[in-house]
Amino acid sequence: LAKTTQPISMDSYEGQEVNITCSHNNIATNDYITWYQQFPSQGPRFIIQGYKTKVTNEVASLFIPADRKSSTLSLPRVSLSDTAVYYCLKAAGNKLTFGGGTRVLVKP
Amino acid sequence: GAVVSQHPSRVICKSGTSVKIECRSLDFQATTMFWYRQFPKQSLMLMATSNEGSKATYEQGVEKDKFLINHASLTLSTLTVTSAHPEDSSFYICSARGTGGYNEQFFGPGTRLTVL
Repeated sequence: LAKTTQPISMDSYEGQEVNITCSHNNIATNDYITWYQQFPSQGPRFIIQGYKTKVTNEVASLFIPADRKSSTLSLPRVSLSDTAVYYCLKAAGNKLTFGGGTRVLVKP
Repeated sequence: GAVVSQHPSRVICKSGTSVKIECRSLDFQATTMFWYRQFPKQSLMLMATSNEGSKATYEQGVEKDKFLINHASLTLSTLTVTSAHPEDSSFYICSARGTGGYNEQFFGPGTRLTVL
């Protein structure tokens, strides 16, 4: 199962919007795009999931263009506590395959 | 959201001993649970898929005789690392598949295993 591709790291400042783009060129028709957040020495935490267009919840927004070959996770007005690794995954069948993730550092 | 617990949270053992890690879904039933391993600064790697009442399905390269998985009930799966060695030291994380959302998985807090 081909993994997704996302930037290794990103720096931001408190109060800014953070956008993380993930590439998934060979996404299958049945695949959903799912994002997880992981703090050090903790299990991943589900953030958001979508199939196409835009999905928004209390934590983030997820934008998926019509061709579904990429997606962008948007974190509005980040705080220091949003410093974490963010994983973009294709949910294929029963398995989740984790790529390298994006290490987001929020600075004061 | 659904809660998954793991016990113990951390364990230190001597080389050659066996260690059992428990994964429990606290407020829902999980017919399928997953076990992952994560080395420092690396991503999670799926080790095996655990199905209640049947044998686990292991990923390529994972030794089934070394990493014994038992999923005896709808709320409990166990991973036993047999004859542990220092190279088995890692962060072991389980997840349970929920009933809502497509393939939504709820992750446990992880177990830090250190083999001396």
